Amino acid sequence: GDSVTQTEGLVTLTEGLPVMLNCTYQTIYSNPFLFWYVQHLNESPRLLLKSFTDNKRTEHQGFHATLHKSSSSFHLQKSSAQLSDSALYYCALSDGTGGYKVVFGSGTRLLVSP
Amino acid sequence: DPKIIQKPKYLVAVTGSEKILICEQYLGHNAMYWYRQSAKKPLEFMFSYSYQKLMDNQTASSRFQPQSSKKNHLDLQITALKPDDSATYFCASSPRDSQDTQYFGPGTRLLVL
Repeated sequence: GDSVTQTEGLVTLTEGLPVMLNCTYQTIYSNPFLFWYVQHLNESPRLLLKSFTDNKRTEHQGFHATLHKSSSSFHLQKSSAQLSDSALYYCALSDGTGGYKVVFGSGTRLLVSP
Repeated sequence: DPKIIQKPKYLVAVTGSEKILICEQYLGHNAMYWYRQSAKKPLEFMFSYSYQKLMDNQTASSRFQPQSSKKNHLDLQITALKPDDSATYFCASSPRDSQDTQYFGPGTRLLVL
């Protein structure tokens, strides 16, 4: 079945440094939809950005990601971390067949310190 | 106004008892979902419904039964509760299917003693 791998459970950064959170996926389908959801403490997850277009950069709220089907990756990046970026980040996959299941990765907790 | 309502916000239950978690969405979406989040499994897909029909079930246990009385309602009945069921349960919805953005409710935090 489909799967999403987030290798880092915890990423700690100093404010101002660049952010990169890794996400790779596996699916047999050729047109998957990839998502990044962010969950701040005591809140529910909300969409940060999504993509289904190969090699196209998607940006939102200072974050960006590019879906690379050749490497099955959808890494999340930001040029300069802010304290308010501290949160739990989930990469997620929909296989693109019009179904009703989303597979979430295990999540990466980002902690940004002053 | 909250667009997805989950009740109750907090729930404490005794092992072996039964509880119903309520979810209503006012976004006009056709698809609804249940997810579970605990320390052991960060965010886990449980069920999806579309137009009140079960579309996907990734929950092995029959103790978890979704119930949809209206298109914008998707409740979750849990029977024979166990301490391992302690988690936050999120209801979510999307306009059509899983290719769309999921909008999550505030969650119900369940503690089973």
